[in-house]
Amino acid sequence: QKEVEQNSGPLSVPEGAIASLNCTYSDRGSQSFFWYRQYSGKSPELIMFIYSNGDKEDGRFTAQLNKASQYVSLLIRDSQPSDSATYLCAVHQSGGTSYGKLTFGQGTILTVHP
Amino acid sequence: DVKVTQSSRYLVKRTGEKVFLECVQDMDHENMFWYRQDPGLGLRLIYFSYDVKMKEKGDIPEGYSVSREKKERFSLILESASTNQTSMYLCASSLWVPYEQYFGPGTRLTVT
Repeated sequence: QKEVEQNSGPLSVPEGAIASLNCTYSDRGSQSFFWYRQYSGKSPELIMFIYSNGDKEDGRFTAQLNKASQYVSLLIRDSQPSDSATYLCAVHQSGGTSYGKLTFGQGTILTVHP
Repeated sequence: DVKVTQSSRYLVKRTGEKVFLECVQDMDHENMFWYRQDPGLGLRLIYFSYDVKMKEKGDIPEGYSVSREKKERFSLILESASTNQTSMYLCASSLWVPYEQYFGPGTRLTVT
């Protein structure tokens, strides 16, 4: 079982719709969760991070965390064609030799069509 | 703005060659990371360093070594390049952990 798992997609949504990206993780001790966006041919850039259960909103983006279910998601409201990219979920596991290490999912390709 | 630079965007090497990939960051970050990115496998951590001369193995360290002699510079070394090391290599840095990692532009390495 992969440590961090995402639906690889591609996920296709119409412009203006809500895009929902999901991520599950296996280590119950994981403390911090990150969403990166990677445009084709570019390097990843951070768009959201979340540490506590519940929702965290930043503009059109909402990260949701449920530690009991070991599930983190990213919602993109009013999706735009410029949101078309690969979205990477990353999980930080605390303690021991894992300290400082981010484990990435394989990424979900999102396409927003006009 | 944080800037992470990598020595080459594209590199072609032959099997058995020793390969050096250089990464430099200009924001006095303590932590630096080397990843490789392959289709369908995502980003996988090779090595990271949380201080000068310190290094920790990531998930796939075999066939690689690293060097961090100065805080701003983190080098990835392929002692004897093999075709299965053909990949995109990404360097990243962060001020502390866990915190935002800033990525360099990547080096696409082809080993023939």
